[in-house]
Amino acid sequence: SAVISQKPSRDICQRGTSLTIQCQVDSQVTMMFWYRQQPGQSLTLIATANQGSEATYESGFVIDKFPISRPNLTFSTLTVSNMSPEDSSIYLCSVVVGRGNQPQHFGDGTRLSIL
Amino acid sequence: DAKTTQPPSMDCAEGRAANLPCNHSTISGNEYVYWYRQIHSQGPQYIIHGLKNNETNEMASLIITEDRKSSTLILPHATLRDTAVYYCIVRVAWDTGNQFYFGTGTSLTVIP
Repeated sequence: SAVISQKPSRDICQRGTSLTIQCQVDSQVTMMFWYRQQPGQSLTLIATANQGSEATYESGFVIDKFPISRPNLTFSTLTVSNMSPEDSSIYLCSVVVGRGNQPQHFGDGTRLSIL
Repeated sequence: DAKTTQPPSMDCAEGRAANLPCNHSTISGNEYVYWYRQIHSQGPQYIIHGLKNNETNEMASLIITEDRKSSTLILPHATLRDTAVYYCIVRVAWDTGNQFYFGTGTSLTVIP
């Protein structure tokens, strides 16, 4: 499986600001995803990061709030824009290596707190 | 949306087998069953997956019923380090949509 590095691992931010989270993989992957995990909750898929094109967002998530880039097969960023306390969550990157029924593998996430 | 139902919590004695059930009654013929676990402060860890045959690896066994409407994850000899939230997920192979939709999972506590 791939080694996934997320930066930063945690941050405390002021409301109204934006933060960009990076996801770096040590090998080329076929698919990359971003999830949110609110305190005490399960994971919710935000979007699929598409290489060289706009991300595919799930219902309830929009590009203006969560812009995503994926310039190549090993790197993606998620920006949380105009943050409010409700955005305090863990944000996780996941990847799929290969095709077919291969599982997703997750990074350890970015723990974000908004004051 | 999540297509699985799991009990919210379970206990298991250390050294005994932990059997975690999952219902996926609306599963389609081409959907796989995946199991993950999440230990506090870490990302979900992949455990095992299968389509219709029982599967075993170094971590666990996966038993899928013949009608595929339910499955059981078996940790043969639970240790304290197996205390975690366990998620059962069904999804289509990536060619036709690779999204995972997590349910609420089962919080497993292994008791000394």
